[in-house]
Amino acid sequence: QKEVEQDPGPLSVPEGAIVSLNCTYSNSAFQYFMWYRQYSRKGPELLMYTYSSGNKEDGRFTAQVDKSSKYISLFIRDSQPSDSATYLCAMSAGSNYQLIWGAGTKLIIKP
Amino acid sequence: DTAVSQTPKYLVTQMGNDKSIKCEQNLGHDTMYWYKQDSKKFLKIMFSYNNKELIINETVPNRFSPKSPDKAHLNLHINSLELGDSAVYFCASDGGGETQYFGPGTRLLVL
Repeated sequence: QKEVEQDPGPLSVPEGAIVSLNCTYSNSAFQYFMWYRQYSRKGPELLMYTYSSGNKEDGRFTAQVDKSSKYISLFIRDSQPSDSATYLCAMSAGSNYQLIWGAGTKLIIKP
Repeated sequence: DTAVSQTPKYLVTQMGNDKSIKCEQNLGHDTMYWYKQDSKKFLKIMFSYNNKELIINETVPNRFSPKSPDKAHLNLHINSLELGDSAVYFCASDGGGETQYFGPGTRLLVL
C-alpha cells in the first residue's frame, strides 16, 4: 500500500461546478499538507498549504485536513476552464522529513 | 526573473549516450532536489542536496550522478542512457520549510 493514495482521474466537470479532490494517507506522523497544481508541460506550483487539521480558504480554493480519518481534500468553487490541470497532494512529517507525493488527479473543466 | 531554471528544456538522444541536465535557483535556498516524473505524472524523488551535501539518495541506478558545485546549482549527469530513462526531470528547491519550488522540467526522450 502506498503511503499516499490519490485517484489519477481524469475528473471531468462542467464550468461553474464545485470540484472535490481527495487524498488518503497511512502515516499518522504527517503534519504538513500541500496541494500543488501542474499545468501541462509545466512544473508543479504550490496552491495551498495547511498545517495539522482544519480548513484553509484562499479565494475559490478550500483545503481541508481530517487527521482522524487520514484524509485531505481540495475544493474548487465556481470552477473555470483555466483550472484544468493535474492536482498533486503532498505531505510530510516535518521540515527534516521527505515530502511524500500523491499520484496526481487530472482535472478537466468543460466550458 | 526565473526562480528555478533548468537547461535544456528538451533532450532527445540515442541509447547509450551520456547527457547532463543543469539546474540553478536564485531563491537563496539551501536544499535542492531532482525528481523524475513518468508518463502517468507520478513524481519520484531521486536525490536531495543540502548546502552541497547529499542527504537523500533514493534507489536510483548508479548511472545517475548528481553534482552540486555550490548551493545554488544542482546538476544531473546520466551515463549510458536507456529507453526507460525517458521522462520529465524536475529540479526543485526549498528554504528549510515544507514548500518546494519547481523548475520548468527537462523532457528527456531516449531513442
